Amino acid sequence: DGGITQSPKYLFRKEGQNVTLSCEQNLNHDAMYWYRQDPGQGLRLIYYSQIVNDFQKGDIAEGYSVSREKKESFPLTVTSAQKNPTAFYLCASSIRTGREEPLHFGNGTRLTVT
Amino acid sequence: AQTVTQSQPEMSVQEAETVTLSCTYDTSESDYYLFWYKQPPSRQMILVIRQEAYKQQNATENRFSVNFQKAAKSFSLKISDSQLGDAAMYFCAYRANFGNEKLTFGTGTRLTIIP
Repeated sequence: DGGITQSPKYLFRKEGQNVTLSCEQNLNHDAMYWYRQDPGQGLRLIYYSQIVNDFQKGDIAEGYSVSREKKESFPLTVTSAQKNPTAFYLCASSIRTGREEPLHFGNGTRLTVT
Repeated sequence: AQTVTQSQPEMSVQEAETVTLSCTYDTSESDYYLFWYKQPPSRQMILVIRQEAYKQQNATENRFSVNFQKAAKSFSLKISDSQLGDAAMYFCAYRANFGNEKLTFGTGTRLTIIP
């Protein structure tokens, strides 16, 4: 079955450490996205990529970095520069050419930084 | 910049009754798409329904329907015959048909179903 896999489901890190969240899709989608979800704030876009080797900043990119070396993979690194990294992170993908096409989401990663 | 507003942080409805969740948005575009997503306790985001701005007919998916008022920039979701499995966070989202293709979400409405 096609889908998006995020791993791990729960991640714990010490303050000051970088951490990378994994996102893999086998839907053959061109576009991939990273969203952050905090209570009462909905989903906010961190980064998105429409094609391999290209990506754009979203609304809250500071303290995050991404890469898109393969079509199926879009890892997100939360750096020590991110001031409040504890959150729920959702990865998504969509067919690039179809704006009406919905985003398909992974199951998310809950990151806790202490 | 486009914004999406959900003014009801929480709603509740009796099982088998009907409930309407509100959503308004702000855009200068004329061609765009609107979506409602459901996020149950599992936190998996699930598409409920979508609407194209150029289609005047309101979208319907089984017990879910929308009331799309383009001039008022309003996109409400009606859930009929509410079931316990409908309990979730519901997010309204906007996506322009040209230019920046990102999906912009509202802050969500938590729906509780009362047995």
